[in-house]
Amino acid sequence: DQQVKQNSPSLSVQEGRISILNCDYTNSMFDYFLWYKKYPAEGPTFLISISSIKDKNEDGRFTVFLNKSAKHLSLHIVPSQPGDSAVYFCAASGNQGGKLIFGQGTELSVKP
Amino acid sequence: KAGVTQTPRYLIKTRGQQVTLSCSPISGHRSVSWYQQTPGQGLQFLFEYFSETQRNKGNFPGRFSGRQFSNSRSEMNVSTLELGDSALYLCASSTDGDINQPQHFGDGTRLSIL
Repeated sequence: DQQVKQNSPSLSVQEGRISILNCDYTNSMFDYFLWYKKYPAEGPTFLISISSIKDKNEDGRFTVFLNKSAKHLSLHIVPSQPGDSAVYFCAASGNQGGKLIFGQGTELSVKP
Repeated sequence: KAGVTQTPRYLIKTRGQQVTLSCSPISGHRSVSWYQQTPGQGLQFLFEYFSETQRNKGNFPGRFSGRQFSNSRSEMNVSTLELGDSALYLCASSTDGDINQPQHFGDGTRLSIL
């Protein structure tokens, strides 16, 4: 039972354009959501997070949107840069601190 | 500020052996979580330690165990290794494991079972 889903295994975007990565979840008890970026041979790097009491959080080029009624969140990267090429993971947590449930990841490729 | 440090980075073992992986969290962080990453199952939660106590546990067999020391460093042990245990094992730390705090990951230990 996959509680966090990233339905697009890959995404290709032109440099300078917007990248939109999507994530769906099924567990209504989740109340904290995070995005991580992962390069090969490295651990995931924390990018941005959002609490369920908000519907938007912004940090520089990265914005996360949360739609609780649809159980959907998205990460927007504007403008996209070649260095953004990596695998992006969506993660969620509920009432169990220290436990994150991850999606399967989306590989983003930003073309120069 | 030093990040999460995992040792060793690479390890090769044979079936039936046991292995111990080490994780040093970010200074001041008291919660340490462990995850297994495989191509088929993705990133899966193993367990979390806080103040030397296991606080949460994922759905892994008892062959997977861990502990945390008074300085918050953590070790993970896998006994009677199986081929399916080949994976990247990631450790993450956070201040106190509160649900609204991000976890910060190390670069992992790549375990290969022959």
